[in-house]
Amino acid sequence: QKEVEQNSGPLSVPEGAIASLNCTYSDRVSQSFFWYRQYSGKSPELIMSIYSNGDKEDGRFTAQLNKASQYVSLLIRDSQPSDSATYLCAGPPNRSARQLTFGSGTQLTVLP
Amino acid sequence: EPEVTQTPSHQVTQMGQEVILRCVPISNHLYFYWYRQILGQKVEFLVSFYNNEISEKSEIFDDQFSVERPDGSNFTLKIRSTKLEDSAMYFCASRVSGASSQPQHFGDGTRLSIL
Repeated sequence: QKEVEQNSGPLSVPEGAIASLNCTYSDRVSQSFFWYRQYSGKSPELIMSIYSNGDKEDGRFTAQLNKASQYVSLLIRDSQPSDSATYLCAGPPNRSARQLTFGSGTQLTVLP
Repeated sequence: EPEVTQTPSHQVTQMGQEVILRCVPISNHLYFYWYRQILGQKVEFLVSFYNNEISEKSEIFDDQFSVERPDGSNFTLKIRSTKLEDSAMYFCASRVSGASSQPQHFGDGTRLSIL
């Protein structure tokens, strides 16, 4: 299994809907995860971090971590056209690493 | 809000030439990173830097690459004898500490085009 793997998408949702983005990880990956948003041609922008099992909410965003099943997800409620971007899941590749390994990203389009 | 700044935003260079990409990390951050992203591909780790030395590097970061923190603010990536395949976006990132829960903050990137 790849260290961090994202469902490839692309994903389209209507404005106002919930967008669900998923990421799975291998045993080796340290269990701190970050969701970044990347607009085309731009740099990754931090959305949320999560390292405890369960849900973490920040405004319209909810990150979910399930360590038993080795997946982490990002829910975007009340999706807006401005949320259209590529969402990157990232985590340290092992418990002693300081760098991040990134998934390939899920391209989200929110349709007006 | 403090941010990581990178210069130049776009660099065009002939193959075989040397390039230096510059970054100013967030001032109280201690860990610094370079990543690259080839067009249409994932973000890849190159090197991490802490306490004035390389702490980790990837297989991509071969003898062609070097990093330096020449003063208290700048963090540079040098690529010697550039190749066509070095064309990519190069991102600098920094974080306040090495704790795994601490996020990395990215600069806007330098688009490197090798002709």
